[in-house]
Amino acid sequence: GQQLNQSPQSMFIQEGEDVSMNCTSSSIFNTWLWYKQDPGEGPVLLIALYKAGELTSNGRLTAQFGITRKDSFLNISASIPSDVGIYFCAGKETSGSRLTFGEGTQLTVNP
Amino acid sequence: KAGVTQTPRYLIKTRGQQVTLSCSPISGHRSVSWYQQTPGQGLQFLFEYFSETQRNKGNFPGRFSGRQFSNSRSEMNVSTLELGDSALYLCASSGEKTQYFGPGTRLLVL
Repeated sequence: GQQLNQSPQSMFIQEGEDVSMNCTSSSIFNTWLWYKQDPGEGPVLLIALYKAGELTSNGRLTAQFGITRKDSFLNISASIPSDVGIYFCAGKETSGSRLTFGEGTQLTVNP
Repeated sequence: KAGVTQTPRYLIKTRGQQVTLSCSPISGHRSVSWYQQTPGQGLQFLFEYFSETQRNKGNFPGRFSGRQFSNSRSEMNVSTLELGDSALYLCASSGEKTQYFGPGTRLLVL
């Protein structure tokens, strides 16, 4: 089946630093989604990407849909303590709503 | 607009029992998907329901089943619980282009 490789698995950064994480797939997706999950809660949608090459921002977050449709990255600029959490990428095919998730990136921000 | 709601939030069961979890999607959304999240396997797709019909199914045993009602609310059922079924069960409500998750039901099987 399809697999999403997300890296890095974890990051420890200082407040104010920029962060970058990415996902690569063995197959093509038509939608890429980025979520953040806090402990004990459900994933919260951060950014949705629908077209190859698309670059979308949401405040300090920027994500891109790779040209090959097999990859995506998420950047967080000027990190703050509340950015702490697990970030997941997810890919969706054309039909249905099934999402394939990456393994997650655990982000720790030191104040 | 109210978000996705899931009940109960926490549940403790013993092996062999069965459990039913409930999900109410965002108003107007007709698709509901269920996912299982565990530390070892991450987020795994269970199944999707659209207009009361199962549209897609993941690779889980037949002990895992679901249904959707005419008001789009969905339930999932797990029969003959095993220790390995302990997980966070997430429901996702889909609109035209994206998915929003509920807070999840934390199931512990003893």
